[in-house]
Amino acid sequence: DAGVIQSPRHEVTEMGQEVTLRCKPISGHDYLFWYRQTMMRGLELLIYFNNNVPIDDSGMPEDRFSAKMPNASFSTLKIQPSEPRDSAVYFCASRPGLLYEQYFGPGTRLTVT
Amino acid sequence: AQTVTQSQPEMSVQEAETVTLSCTYDTSESDYYLFWYKQPPSRQMILVIRQEAYKQQNATENRFSVNFQKAAKSFSLKISDSQLGDAAMYFCAYRRMNYGGSQGNLIFGKGTKLSVKP
Repeated sequence: DAGVIQSPRHEVTEMGQEVTLRCKPISGHDYLFWYRQTMMRGLELLIYFNNNVPIDDSGMPEDRFSAKMPNASFSTLKIQPSEPRDSAVYFCASRPGLLYEQYFGPGTRLTVT
Repeated sequence: AQTVTQSQPEMSVQEAETVTLSCTYDTSESDYYLFWYKQPPSRQMILVIRQEAYKQQNATENRFSVNFQKAAKSFSLKISDSQLGDAAMYFCAYRRMNYGGSQGNLIFGKGTKLSVKP
């Protein structure tokens, strides 16, 4: 099993540009999570999906952030327009059911200049 | 709302020695999970150990064990025979044992950076 796959691993962009982060969960996992990690705020949940449906997006910081899961094997997190304060490591994680632990991807380090 | 507190931003241990990382949490729930995750410089989040709140027996995984004190809402991680590869950030995390509804995500502490001296 390849584990959770995220791309790109590193992204550097200029303020105002659109950024799209991608995630492929582990096959058969029906929960998918997006987290953001910063020095100031630690690890925060942004949004999570169950069977491709967004369940809780209360952690999404503002309307500039959007996430989609068009099918069971792919999800995107989009930031438009990006700002320097969005610089962070973004993790995707998946889980096979309610009673199991999450498996994390390697993360995407985003730098907005 | 549930919270997780790790009061030790940094810890240091000599190779082959034992170290204990502290974690406390606040919840009104009676059923939940607790986890310790390790994050080495590679950034990968690696599950170290998991504890179900309904289990009285402390979880153990090789050199890693926990001291789970439910009444005190304390969940410490003990690393025995520390190795250089144990150097990492360690995060304590809480999750409700939900059987429905919209909850199910992990709530993390701020982490403890562990250094291992040769």
